[in-house]
This record gives sequence, structure tokens and C-alpha cells, in this order.
Amino acid sequence: SQTIHQWPATLVQPVGSPLSLECTVEGTSNPNLYWYRQAAGRGLQLLFYSVGIGQISSEVPQNLSASRPQDRQFILSSKKLLLSDSGFYLCAWSSGLSYNEQFFGPGTRLTVL
Amino acid sequence: AQTVTQSQPEMSVQEAETVTLSCTYDTSESDYYLFWYKQPPSRQMILVIRQEAYKQQNATENRFSVNFQKAAKSFSLKISDSQLGDAAMYFCALTFIREYGNKLVFGAGTILRVKS
Repeated sequence: SQTIHQWPATLVQPVGSPLSLECTVEGTSNPNLYWYRQAAGRGLQLLFYSVGIGQISSEVPQNLSASRPQDRQFILSSKKLLLSDSGFYLCAWSSGLSYNEQFFGPGTRLTVL
Repeated sequence: AQTVTQSQPEMSVQEAETVTLSCTYDTSESDYYLFWYKQPPSRQMILVIRQEAYKQQNATENRFSVNFQKAAKSFSLKISDSQLGDAAMYFCALTFIREYGNKLVFGAGTILRVKS
């Protein structure tokens, strides 16, 4: 069966510091991968998605970037965090083969102080 | 642009009762899928139910069922025999069969509270 991991689960970072959040998927190959951000009590905002290694599509211009160095690894980064980067970050995957349903990781809670 | 609207920010239901969460969407596409996701306090997103637009029969998963009205572009979720564990935020989502990247369009969510 497929599983998706995210780490860290919780992160507190000062303004201006760098960021690296990692997501890995097991049990599947060539998945579509996604990064979402969710503010408290709000909906999901799609940040980036990837259909293959090195292929990144950005949905919202901002202080973040994404990379996919391996087939089942997706990284969300920032060179200098802003207060507005605080939120709950979710990684998801889909097979792209049927139904288009996405499966989500446990998320990372990021607080920028 | 495709949109998904959940007009109920919050709903409450008594334990063991039935509740219906509303969702409407707007698209000019004819081939798509609709989903309901549940996000409990742990914030883990869980797929509850899926509906293919080309199927007239409403999807059912145990206590969860949908009322899919394609012409009206409506996709409501009915939860029967509500349990305390059903308390969560529920999101309606839409995707298209030939969508590059299989992106989902999410509604804003409905918070469901279950009273004991």
C-alpha cells in the first residue's frame, strides 16, 4: 500500500531564516505531487504541483519554491521566511491514472516568529 | 474558471441524527470527478467519498452518501447516524478527467459539530 510522509511535524522559525519541508511517498511510482497551505480554520491553497522529476508548476507567486529531486520526493523551500508564511502545510499525491483523487500527508505546522 | 461553493460555514447535528452538507460547483466541462474530504482536529485530510460525473447513481460509503444533481451542479453529502468522530471540517472538491496535473478545486469547507 502507499504511504506519504512529511517532516518535520512542527516547526518554529524566526523571520528571515531559511525553510525546508520534505515530503516522500512510498509504494507508488511517478506520482503527481502537491504542496498546499492552509491558514487556521480556512480552506486549502495550492502552492505547487509536479508531474515528474524536475517539473514544477507554481500556482501562486510568493516567497516559496519547490523542488522534486527524486521521483517520490517533494521539497518546499524558502530562502528567507516572512511572518505571512506561517500556516499548516500539506503534501499530497495522486496516481494520475484514475479518478484523480489525492491522498494527503499528516502536514507540517509552521510558525514564523 | 471553475469554482466550488460551500455555503454553510458551520453545521451542527445531534448524535445519531442525519445531517446534509451542501456543495455547488460551476464548470463548463462534462467529464469530472467530485469528492468529499474530511479534516478532523488532527488536520489529516481523509477522502470520504467520490462521485464520477458520468454515473447517475449516487455514491455511498457506509453512513456517507451523496446527492449528485448534475444539471443543477449540486453535490451534497449526507451523513446518517452521526457519531462524535464525524466532527470535522468537510471539504467538497472538483477535478477534471483530462486536467493536467490532476489538480483539485476545493470549496472553503464546512465545520461540522456533533452534539452528544
